[in-house]
Amino acid sequence: KNEVEQSPQNLTAQEGEFITINCSYSVGISALHWLQQHPGGGIVSLFMLSSGKKKHGRLIATINIQEKHSSLHITASHPRDSAVYICAVVTRNQFYFGTGTSLTVIP
Amino acid sequence: DGGITQSPKYLFRKEGQNVTLSCEQNLNHDAMYWYRQDPGQGLRLIYYSQIVNDFQKGDIAEGYSVSREKKESFPLTVTSAQKNPTAFYLCASSIDLGGEQYFGPGTRLTVT
Repeated sequence: KNEVEQSPQNLTAQEGEFITINCSYSVGISALHWLQQHPGGGIVSLFMLSSGKKKHGRLIATINIQEKHSSLHITASHPRDSAVYICAVVTRNQFYFGTGTSLTVIP
Repeated sequence: DGGITQSPKYLFRKEGQNVTLSCEQNLNHDAMYWYRQDPGQGLRLIYYSQIVNDFQKGDIAEGYSVSREKKESFPLTVTSAQKNPTAFYLCASSIDLGGEQYFGPGTRLTVT
């Protein structure tokens, strides 16, 4: 059983659509991270959250600690947003990663 | 520019050979990590280091070894004991353990 579950696994959207990626976890956490992995393999950290909501440009991340759930939203999606989005949680200084959501935004 | 580098980007080895993957950071981060990524699977932690001269096994440490003699460097050796070494290897660092991680570009290792 994976400590972190993401949905959907794959997502295709038209440019301009509002996108939501979900992450559920089963362990107590000190923080949750959203990461972006581009086709070349490099990974960039998008957000680190322990409560509430954070916004950066067109990206918004929320977390509900009681429900053990986080969402990543992308507003006005663009083809350059096409990537794999990975949710990771931190518990007792250990990281657990979801398998990722592969997003393709079509022009 | 501050960052984290891995070399080489692609590495090919014959079965039975040990191989060392390089990871260097100039971010002045205390914590460093090695992950392995296989197709369709999430990142899995191999080893991590909280501080110089200290490192701990992650979930899949068997067949791997590391050293942390300098703050900037955290090389990973894939030994011949690792049964399925072909994978994408990612190094990361953070200010402290559990903090926001900065990832290197990765090394794709192929063992035949």
